[in-house]
Amino acid sequence: AQSVTQLGSHVSVSEGALVLLRCNYSSSVPPYLFWYVQYPNQGLQLLLKYTSAATLVKGINGFEAEFKKSETSFHLTKPSAHMSDAAEYFCAVSARGGTASKLTFGTGTRLQVTL
Amino acid sequence: DTGVSQDPRHKITKRGQNVTFRCDPISEHNRLYWYRQTLGQGPEFLTYFQNEAQLEKSRLLSDRFSAERPKGSFSTLEIQRTEQGDSAMYLCASSKGTQYFGPGTRLLVL
Repeated sequence: AQSVTQLGSHVSVSEGALVLLRCNYSSSVPPYLFWYVQYPNQGLQLLLKYTSAATLVKGINGFEAEFKKSETSFHLTKPSAHMSDAAEYFCAVSARGGTASKLTFGTGTRLQVTL
Repeated sequence: DTGVSQDPRHKITKRGQNVTFRCDPISEHNRLYWYRQTLGQGPEFLTYFQNEAQLEKSRLLSDRFSAERPKGSFSTLEIQRTEQGDSAMYLCASSKGTQYFGPGTRLLVL
């Protein structure tokens, strides 16, 4: 079974400041890990994914995440926040392949960006 | 590639009524997923199709819920005898590997 824990349901940063959203996972098998972003009243958009290649993964809109097996973490970062980054962010895990490919999501972190 | 589409985007119904939602996946995506998202929570897996075969169902999917994907293309999710607890956003995703989500159908049961 897989699960993810997102630390901090709300994070507030100033525009231009570093964004750090935390995600820890639990998986009995090697995982695939994902970050999705959700804007109000919309579906989820994929930011980036880890599928066992490079441990540092670069995504869209300047976001990146690093897979750390020893810490069971997959934290999302962005060097400089922009007002348009304000949204809900979800970390998700899946086992690799086949019928086990469903996603298990965390409870989300709402990012607020202030002037 | 026009993305995953869902219809309707919003549905208000009275308790006890039946509702049906439709999902049109990205063309040639053989996998299709349904998730449910309640306020303040992450999406939760409901069911999964590979082509027309329904391969997995969550325990969240009670007997009042049924999903079909008759020709391996679009899918429908029906809820019978709706309850107030069914109020949620219902999300569809399609995949050939990575899952891409539609905009969702927001259901409100009065």
